[in-house]
Amino acid sequence: DQQVKQNSPSLSVQEGRISILNCDYTNSMFDYFLWYKKYPAEGPTFLISISSIKDKNEDGRFTVFLNKSAKHLSLHIVPSQPGDSAVYFCAAKDGATNKLIFGTGTLLAVQP
Amino acid sequence: EAGVAQSPRYKIIEKRQSVAFWCNPISGHATLYWYQQILGQGPKLLIQFQNNGVVDDSQLPKDRFSAERLKGVDSTLKIQPAKLEDSAVYLCASSLDTWEKLFFGSGTQLSVL
Repeated sequence: DQQVKQNSPSLSVQEGRISILNCDYTNSMFDYFLWYKKYPAEGPTFLISISSIKDKNEDGRFTVFLNKSAKHLSLHIVPSQPGDSAVYFCAAKDGATNKLIFGTGTLLAVQP
Repeated sequence: EAGVAQSPRYKIIEKRQSVAFWCNPISGHATLYWYQQILGQGPKLLIQFQNNGVVDDSQLPKDRFSAERLKGVDSTLKIQPAKLEDSAVYLCASSLDTWEKLFFGSGTQLSVL
């Protein structure tokens, strides 16, 4: 039972353009959402997060949007840079158990 | 600030053999996690420690996997005997407190042949 879904395994974007990574979830008990970025041969690193009481959080080039009614969140990267090429994992915290559930990841390739 | 240290970096074993992974979390981090990441999937929590006590091991295959965190610092994860489906990257993470922002190590890539 995949509670956090990232339906796009990969995404290719031109440098300078916007990258939009999507994530859907099913559990209404999720109260906090996070994005992690992973380079090859490294562990995931925290990127940005959003509480379920908000619908937007921005940090520099990265913005996360949350649509609770649709159980959907997205990560926008503007402008995209070649160094952003990595696997991006969406994760959600279950407010009842405090467990962090990860999605399957989206491989972003930013073409110079 | 030193990050989460893991060793070995890679390990290749044959099925039915045993293997152990080691993790040294960030100093002062009370919570330590072991995740399993199978190729093409997201990290899955195996076990979570708060200091040296187990908080959650509901997804740990206890017939073959074991983990300990002596003195609430370093941790080891053991698989005995290994199966082909255990081939994965084993990630250790730590956080200041339960579920606070996680810091991951580089992981141990295990191949079971």
